Amino acid sequence: QITLKESGPTLVKPTQTLTLTCTFSGFSLSTSGVGVGWIRQPPGKALEWLALIYWDDDKRYSPSLKSRLTITKDTSKNQVVLTMTNMDPVDTATYYCAHSGLLWFGAFAFDIWGQGTMVTVSS
Amino acid sequence: QSALTQPPSASGSPGQSVTISCTGTSSDVGGYNYVSWYQQHPGKAPKLMIYEVSKRPSGVPDRFSGSKSGNTASLTVSGLQAEDEADYYCSSYAGNNNSVFGTGTKVTVL
Repeated sequence: QITLKESGPTLVKPTQTLTLTCTFSGFSLSTSGVGVGWIRQPPGKALEWLALIYWDDDKRYSPSLKSRLTITKDTSKNQVVLTMTNMDPVDTATYYCAHSGLLWFGAFAFDIWGQGTMVTVSS
Repeated sequence: QSALTQPPSASGSPGQSVTISCTGTSSDVGGYNYVSWYQQHPGKAPKLMIYEVSKRPSGVPDRFSGSKSGNTASLTVSGLQAEDEADYYCSSYAGNNNSVFGTGTKVTVL
């Protein structure tokens, strides 16, 4: 059974850097075709894809946020970390990590999601 | 990259069908067969309902079906049930290793 869980601060100040960790189980990020992505959702608004890292350490970023995002993986710890710099109140959202199976579900389809973690940006 | 366009709301009575559209461009929906649909109940994480335009993951009822014509993808829910009341989001590969979600549609079961 695949599970993912996000962790990190619930409150960050403007201009600070946000670091979120996705800890997963039930799969290995060294298996061909597997990826883990990050998606966020501001309160009452739509989903927005942020970043995706694959088993081979290939990384993809949303063009509009690419300069602020870094995604990394630690295969031995079953973790994926997302950092977002220069946080702003508009970045207030629920941040989700999700499993992606390129060989099973195609490009950028996320079949299993974490519960999400709410991050508020405020001074 | 602009969000894909979905109607804000859709509704139907139990047992009826409802179809949600997802309009993009030739650079995303029209250019690739990588359209996905997600169902999201209030306060919950999204759930994958359709991938690669029309395929259903294991466990998703066959009442849910997907299709695409040109730059517009569609999700049809047949035989509406109370538990289908939720927000639905489409998503598409947008080329250059990029992905875009839709604006979301709230489905109400009357």
